[in-house]
Amino acid sequence: KAGVTQTPRYLIKTRGQQVTLSCSPISGHRSVSWYQQTPGQGLQFLFEYFSETQRNKGNFPGRFSGRQFSNSRSEMNVSTLELGDSALYLCASSYGESPSEQYFGPGTRLTVT
Amino acid sequence: AQSVAQPEDQVNVAEGNPLTVKCTYSVSGNPYLFWYVQYPNRGLQFLLKYITGDNLVKGSYGFEAEFNKSQTSFHLKKPSALVSDSALYFCAVRDPSGSARQLTFGSGTQLTVLP
Repeated sequence: KAGVTQTPRYLIKTRGQQVTLSCSPISGHRSVSWYQQTPGQGLQFLFEYFSETQRNKGNFPGRFSGRQFSNSRSEMNVSTLELGDSALYLCASSYGESPSEQYFGPGTRLTVT
Repeated sequence: AQSVAQPEDQVNVAEGNPLTVKCTYSVSGNPYLFWYVQYPNRGLQFLLKYITGDNLVKGSYGFEAEFNKSQTSFHLKKPSALVSDSALYFCAVRDPSGSARQLTFGSGTQLTVLP
């Protein structure tokens, strides 16, 4: 079974631009969560989707948004990029509504210049 | 609120020796506990979990963890370390009785196994 895939793997943007990251979960998994990983803040939860509905949202500004499609694929969008948005963005999928273990993709490395 | 603490940023151990990576947690209810490992430029890989039952949980690659409710700890252990175990290890907790549905991760512990 294929793992979680994320595209693109690397991205360079300039301040003020917007970016869209994509995540395809493991086949059959309906829950997708997004995390931001930085050296200073560690792993921080962004949001979780289940069956196209946002179930939970972390402490991030409204510039960070996401959605999930009927095939469980998910996208996250960051508008008006800031230098501090540079991070590894990780997507994780799990089977049910109440996640047991989550399976992570390789991440998208976003660099904002 | 749920939280996780990994008190050691760095753990060094000689190959063949036992290793322990420490984790303590705080939740209001009974916790779901997890260990993940991250290799450079990779996502997190699931190692093991504790949901309920036996306090000693066995996971992938020979790792195990012991749930201790009185000490609110979930330390990761391996009897004999390998150089290939060198990586960043994260402990995570979820309180299934709480409103927060997400995993909360610790700050991570860099494990270095010396040949």
